[in-house]
Amino acid sequence: DIQLTQSPSSLSASVGDTVTITCRASQYISTHLNWYQQKPGKVPNLVIYGASSLQSGVPSRFSGSGSATDFTLTINSLQPEDFATYYCQQSYSMPWTFGQGTMVDFK
Amino acid sequence: HLRESGPRLVRPSETLSLTCTVSGGSISSSSYYWGWIRQPPGRGLEWIGSLYYTGSAYYNPSLKSRITLSVDTSKNQFSLNLNSVTAADTAVYFCASELHFGAPYYFDYWGQGILVTVSS
Repeated sequence: DIQLTQSPSSLSASVGDTVTITCRASQYISTHLNWYQQKPGKVPNLVIYGASSLQSGVPSRFSGSGSATDFTLTINSLQPEDFATYYCQQSYSMPWTFGQGTMVDFK
Repeated sequence: HLRESGPRLVRPSETLSLTCTVSGGSISSSSYYWGWIRQPPGRGLEWIGSLYYTGSAYYNPSLKSRITLSVDTSKNQFSLNLNSVTAADTAVYFCASELHFGAPYYFDYWGQGILVTVSS
């Protein structure tokens, strides 16, 4: 199985900050890397697919980059509604796997 | 839209059975697989398995021996059976649509989730 390791596991930030979350794959996954946002008690919501493509309806302050084994999710000018847990997920090789999550909370 | 339904309490060693009803689109779409993902309380996401409208399915090897996925195109539904459950199977179970239009694949729409507790 391909393991995805996210860092940090949690971070504290303020409104207006720029936040960067990383996801490292245990082996090559090209750009088959997706990011999801999940708020407490809510459904995961697709944010980025294919490492860098913004899902329709997602604000442009979200961006993704990377390929092969190293990926980043960046949130520019953090907004109150962005405080959530973010998961990366690979769809390069089955079984599909998720990172352990990164919780973004208020500083 | 997707919506999970089924018992919220299952006894240990019995079978967990859930159904996902798809509305607003056809489960027979050639662009989609239909997946199950679960999330134990306070923990991360685990992919269970996915299937195509033809019945072709693929499973997480960690659960494969206990899982059956099935589809009913006449009802626009797909189902999950997980047998021999233990307390470790207590989780919120999500169904989701898995887009297979080119690459990569991703889960673009999710059901609201259903908390299933395994307890006697």
